[in-house]
Amino acid sequence: DTGVSQDPRHKITKRGQNVTFRCDPISEHNRLYWYRQTLGQGPEFLTYFQNEAQLEKSRLLSDRFSAERPKGSFSTLEIQRTEQGDSAMYLCASSLALASGKGAEQFFGPGTRLTVL
Amino acid sequence: AQSVTQLGSHVSVSEGALVLLRCNYSSSVPPYLFWYVQYPNQGLQLLLKYTTGATLVKGINGFEAEFKKSETSFHLTKPSAHMSDAAEYFCAVTSYYGNNRLAFGKGNQVVVIP
Repeated sequence: DTGVSQDPRHKITKRGQNVTFRCDPISEHNRLYWYRQTLGQGPEFLTYFQNEAQLEKSRLLSDRFSAERPKGSFSTLEIQRTEQGDSAMYLCASSLALASGKGAEQFFGPGTRLTVL
Repeated sequence: AQSVTQLGSHVSVSEGALVLLRCNYSSSVPPYLFWYVQYPNQGLQLLLKYTTGATLVKGINGFEAEFKKSETSFHLTKPSAHMSDAAEYFCAVTSYYGNNRLAFGKGNQVVVIP
C-alpha cells in the first residue's frame, strides 16, 4: 500500500492556459474524490467517482473543470482557461465503499498546489 | 446538508498544556465524524474517527475526541501539547448515506509555545 499519489505537486501557469492534474488512488479503493482548498479554508468537495462513473459534481465545478477516471483507477482533473481564482490546493482522496464496513475513511494525497499568474 | 463549525482560526497553547479544539456539527442523519491534521504543504492525515459505538475515541499521537449527540459536538483534546503538534486541524462530517463526501470546517491553526 503506497498511499494516494498526486502529480504534479506544484504547478504555476499563466491565466488562460489549460492545466491537468493526476491522482493515483490506493489500488483497491473504488471511490475517488477531488477537493479544493484555498488559503485559510477547509477543503471543499468538487466531485466524486465510484469506479469509472462520475456520480456527483459540486456547484463549485464550473464548465471549465472536467474530471475523468477512465478505467476506474487513476483520475485526472483538467481546468481549461485558468483564472486567478483557480489558485488553490487540489486534493485527491480515495476510499472503499461503506458496504465494506470500513467506515467511510478517506485517504488523502499530498495535493497539487496551483498558482495562476 | 451537513456542516461543521470550528471557532477560533488560530489557537496558541503552551508546551505541556492541554490542547482543546472545538467542533460542532449539523446533520439530519446520524453523522460520521473525523479529525484530520495537515502539516505545511502536505495532504490531510487522519487523527481519529467516530462512526458508531463508543463515543470516546482515541487516535494517533495521544489525541482523543468525544461524540456528544445532545450537544452536536466532537471536540478534540490532548492532555499535553508537544512542539510537533503545531499544524492545522480540521473537523469533518459525513454519513453512511449517499456518496460519503466530507464537509470540513475552516480549521484551527495550532501554535505551540515553548
